Amino acid sequence: DGGITQSPKYLFRKEGQNVTLSCEQNLNHDAMYWYRQDPGQGLRLIYYSQIVNDFQKGDIAEGYSVSREKKESFPLTVTSAQKNPTAFYLCASSSVNVGNQPQHFGDGTRLSIL
Amino acid sequence: RKEVEQDPGPFNVPEGATVAFNCTYSNSASQSFFWYRQDCRKEPKLLMSVYSSGNEDGRFTAQLNRASQYISLLIRDSKLSDSATYLCVVNTPGNTPLVFGKGTRLSVIA
Repeated sequence: DGGITQSPKYLFRKEGQNVTLSCEQNLNHDAMYWYRQDPGQGLRLIYYSQIVNDFQKGDIAEGYSVSREKKESFPLTVTSAQKNPTAFYLCASSSVNVGNQPQHFGDGTRLSIL
Repeated sequence: RKEVEQDPGPFNVPEGATVAFNCTYSNSASQSFFWYRQDCRKEPKLLMSVYSSGNEDGRFTAQLNRASQYISLLIRDSKLSDSATYLCVVNTPGNTPLVFGKGTRLSVIA
């Protein structure tokens, strides 16, 4: 079945540690996105990518980094510079025309600080 | 003015009731509109796209009012399983990502 796979489902980070969240899609979508959602809050865009080897900052990119070496994969690294990383992280993808096609989401990764 | 605004709710309605949500958007050039549903601690899922002529999918009806810059979602004969947060989503001109509203929470009670 086509879809978006995020892993791990739960992740714990120690102070000062970088962690990487995986996102893989087999929908042949060009565009991929990372969002952060805090309890009771809306989605906030971290980074997005419209094509391989290119990505743009979203509204809250500080403390995060991404790469897009393959069309299918868009990993997110939460660096030690992100002082409040505890949140629900959602990856999404969409076909061409970034702003006109609906996005499809993975089932998320919950990140907590130890 | 925020790009996409929704009443956060919660809307508490009895089973079988009809409930409607509105969502306003600020950019008059927006062309694409969607409603998503998000269950507690789950990912958002596309519920329906919103077309200029309005569209219906079973108990759900979506409408667009370009003059007043709002979209609406009507749910008829509410079920307990309709309890969720409903997200209004709008595009902005140019090749930029969709803008998500913060959502309206619906609780359908027996």
